[in-house]
Amino acid sequence: NAGVMQNPRHLVRRRGQEARLRCSPMKGHSHVYWYRQLPEEGLKFMVYLQKENIIDESGMPKERFSAEFPKEGPSILRIQQVVRGDSAAYFCASSLDNTDTQYFGPGTRLTVL
Amino acid sequence: AQSVTQPDIHITVSEGASLELRCNYSYGATPYLFWYVQSPGQGLQLLLKYFSGDTLVQGIKGFEAEFKRSQSSFNLRKPSVHWSDAAEYFCAVGGLSQGGSEKLVFGKGTKLTVNP
Repeated sequence: NAGVMQNPRHLVRRRGQEARLRCSPMKGHSHVYWYRQLPEEGLKFMVYLQKENIIDESGMPKERFSAEFPKEGPSILRIQQVVRGDSAAYFCASSLDNTDTQYFGPGTRLTVL
Repeated sequence: AQSVTQPDIHITVSEGASLELRCNYSYGATPYLFWYVQSPGQGLQLLLKYFSGDTLVQGIKGFEAEFKRSQSSFNLRKPSVHWSDAAEYFCAVGGLSQGGSEKLVFGKGTKLTVNP
């Protein structure tokens, strides 16, 4: 049973470009969470999604960031017009339901030049 | 609001010595508590979790943690540290919040160095 998959593992973008981060949850998991880890910091919650629904986006920046979890395919975290401050590790986690343990993927390390 | 404090940013121990990593939380109801470990450049691996029941929780790799409600603590312990335990350790608190979102709130982490 494969774990949570994230790709790409490393992503380099220039300021102003778009970044797309993908997350495939564990088999059978329909709940996905995105977290951001800045250097020397813990993880900060961004958004919680179920299939085709955003349940909680209280941690998402108001502009440039969006997330989706379509009926088919992986969850996508999209960052438009990236800035240097977006450089961070972005982790996805999945769970069976909202009371279950969250299992984390290996992360995508975004570098904005 | 939920919060997690890990008072020790960096801890150094000798291989074979005992270890205790501190974690204090603030949460309005009975929390779900977790310890995760992160090796450099890697994702987070779950060490153990507390949902309810016995307040002493056993995890993987010989780790255990004790939930103390009166102290709002969930400290992680290991009786004898191995060099491979060198990593960063994160304590996290979660629970059903409004709307049913079980987002986790993480501490800032404790980096463990193990001396030979």
